[in-house]
Amino acid sequence: DTVLTQSPALAVSPGERVTISCRASESVSTLMHWYQQKPGQQPTLLIYLASNLESGVPARFSGSGSGTDFTLTIDPVEADDTATYYCQQSWNDPNTFGAGTKLELK
Amino acid sequence: EVKLVESGGGLVQPGRSLKLSCAASGFSFNDYWMGWVRQAPGKGLEWIGEINQDSSTINYTPSLKDKFTISRDNAQNTLYLQMSKLGSEDTAIYYCARINYGGRTDAWGQGASVTVSS
Repeated sequence: DTVLTQSPALAVSPGERVTISCRASESVSTLMHWYQQKPGQQPTLLIYLASNLESGVPARFSGSGSGTDFTLTIDPVEADDTATYYCQQSWNDPNTFGAGTKLELK
Repeated sequence: EVKLVESGGGLVQPGRSLKLSCAASGFSFNDYWMGWVRQAPGKGLEWIGEINQDSSTINYTPSLKDKFTISRDNAQNTLYLQMSKLGSEDTAIYYCARINYGGRTDAWGQGASVTVSS
């Protein structure tokens, strides 16, 4: 299975720029997607196919990368962005998720 | 509005079976791949598997293949997850998800909680 590695946690101040990384154990082309999950809620799609903003998602969110290295950027961060962020690849079977990055606001 | 509503969760004894349902509305159900994802308490997301529009292709995460069976009824706009020989490690919230182009899951249900305990 393709392993996706994310840093476990980040703490930033509102108004700052934050980048969340996801590294794949093998190439996933651009079939990488990012989700936000707040406590007690289901995940929601933020970015699909590495860099495409899902409809209704604020333009503060952006994604980049291809192959094995991907980044989710939030700029500027707002208090409401406190959540866990997951990457997911759908290039290799089975689909796999990263372990999640918990974003906390200072 | 796209809506996915899971049902059938609850407390089940170890070794027993359980079947979850996911009622879909607000979109043309038979035009989409559908999938199941689970999340153990305090843990991350785990992909279970997916099914194509006419049920001719069903894929599972290999480590879970012997425990789960995914099916769908397009006439009823419903997705199913049959779970067998459940153990404590299967305690989780089970999410139904719509799969869109490129494999992204662009709609999720609120989740069905399954607790395996004697």
